[in-house]
Amino acid sequence: ETGVTQTPRHLVMGMTNKKSLKCEQHLGHNAMYWYKQSAKKPLELMFVYSLEERVENNSVPSRFSPECPNSSHLFLHLHTLQPEDSALYLCASSQELMQEISYEQYFGPGTRLTVT
Amino acid sequence: TQLLEQSPQFLSIQEGENLTVYCNSSSVFSSLQWYRQEPGEGPVLLVTVVTGGEVKKLKRLTFQFGDARKDSSLHITAAQPGDTGLYLCAGGKRDDKIIFGKGTRLHILP
Repeated sequence: ETGVTQTPRHLVMGMTNKKSLKCEQHLGHNAMYWYKQSAKKPLELMFVYSLEERVENNSVPSRFSPECPNSSHLFLHLHTLQPEDSALYLCASSQELMQEISYEQYFGPGTRLTVT
Repeated sequence: TQLLEQSPQFLSIQEGENLTVYCNSSSVFSSLQWYRQEPGEGPVLLVTVVTGGEVKKLKRLTFQFGDARKDSSLHITAAQPGDTGLYLCAGGKRDDKIIFGKGTRLHILP
């Protein structure tokens, strides 16, 4: 399998549940990202990992907890979410951490999350 | 706050027509990208522009980076139903995070 895959594709969870989103990239990239895409808002960068080390956390609430066990896998652990957290969560990867001149990110298909 | 404003927000036109969508900012970017996102999928990179005034063509799509590197346009010639999707622009700066616009939702009517 090639590219960036995400599971599950759809998830419905209650506010007291704990769930995890999984992302896997088969491109040999060293950097991975989590984004949140909500209706009527720009894509929001949540977390950035480079060589399994977190290099950026854009003021994301602690109810979102990322984990990067190796350069091919990225998880987003969710607990006690709010209805406003309902969104499409996208994973992306790039060869190296975003550089000045150019960077190419490859996105997965996303997980559509609904918090009830 | 850096913002990338995309216009129009929505555009619905007939197959065969031409169209232009815009991405504007008050900030200078070192590079700018255009993505297309189809329903149920993640964004797919179309092009990266890095030089002020640069023009790139991808079949019927023409991308231009403004001379001052603050804005960009995407022109589609003879639109096809397969061009339907959400078009996102994203700007990058050295030592700074990438930012995205809200996108232009394009619908081509057969």
